[in-house]
Amino acid sequence: DTEVTQTPKHLVMGMTNKKSLKCEQHMGHRAMYWYKQKAKKPPELMFVYSYEKLSINESVPSRFSPECPNSSLLNLHLHALQPEDSALYLCASSQYQGQARTTGELFFGEGSRLTVL
Amino acid sequence: GNSVTQMEGPVTLSEEAFLTINCTYTATGYPSLFWYVQYPGEGLQLLLKATKADDKGSNKGFEATYRKETTSFHLEKGSVQVSDSAVYFCALSKNYGGSQGNLIFGKGTKLSVKP
Repeated sequence: DTEVTQTPKHLVMGMTNKKSLKCEQHMGHRAMYWYKQKAKKPPELMFVYSYEKLSINESVPSRFSPECPNSSLLNLHLHALQPEDSALYLCASSQYQGQARTTGELFFGEGSRLTVL
Repeated sequence: GNSVTQMEGPVTLSEEAFLTINCTYTATGYPSLFWYVQYPGEGLQLLLKATKADDKGSNKGFEATYRKETTSFHLEKGSVQVSDSAVYFCALSKNYGGSQGNLIFGKGTKLSVKP
């Protein structure tokens, strides 16, 4: 069983809708991530939060808005999306030890499959 | 820059056949190396990992050895099952400093195992 939980598993939305994807982990990890995966492609990093602060934004359009309310939760707010934004959105978490050496292992959720009409 | 190259798929094998999926990497320093597996309709699961040269990662009959001299991390299994059908991603991570979370993935190799 995955220890990173994502909801909803499936989401269909129109281009004018506002929706949110949610992610939760209880492993005590202080780094959380959003990845986007198109069909038959590897995941692409979107955002990284470290200690609840946004540390990496991979030039993601502003129609995607991440939020980290606390160390266990990560949200991705969606507004005015385009059909090409349809994809599997994966949340992940990892230990974070600042400048110290870590294994770099990420734990992924099962993803939220988004369809934009 | 850092990159991962893995063999193009799809790979189709009969049950109990031997599996090799090649993976080579380019990186500065000493990255950690991973194989992740993605079953149809699911997220990514860590299959195995190695954090330093000559380490062997193993899990569920799969193995991979971190070879610094050939910059490789090939995935092997002696006898595949139908249930191993999935997409396999090789990945590396710079495991220090400000590169937190920068997992670099290969393009993925789809494996289909026939009964």
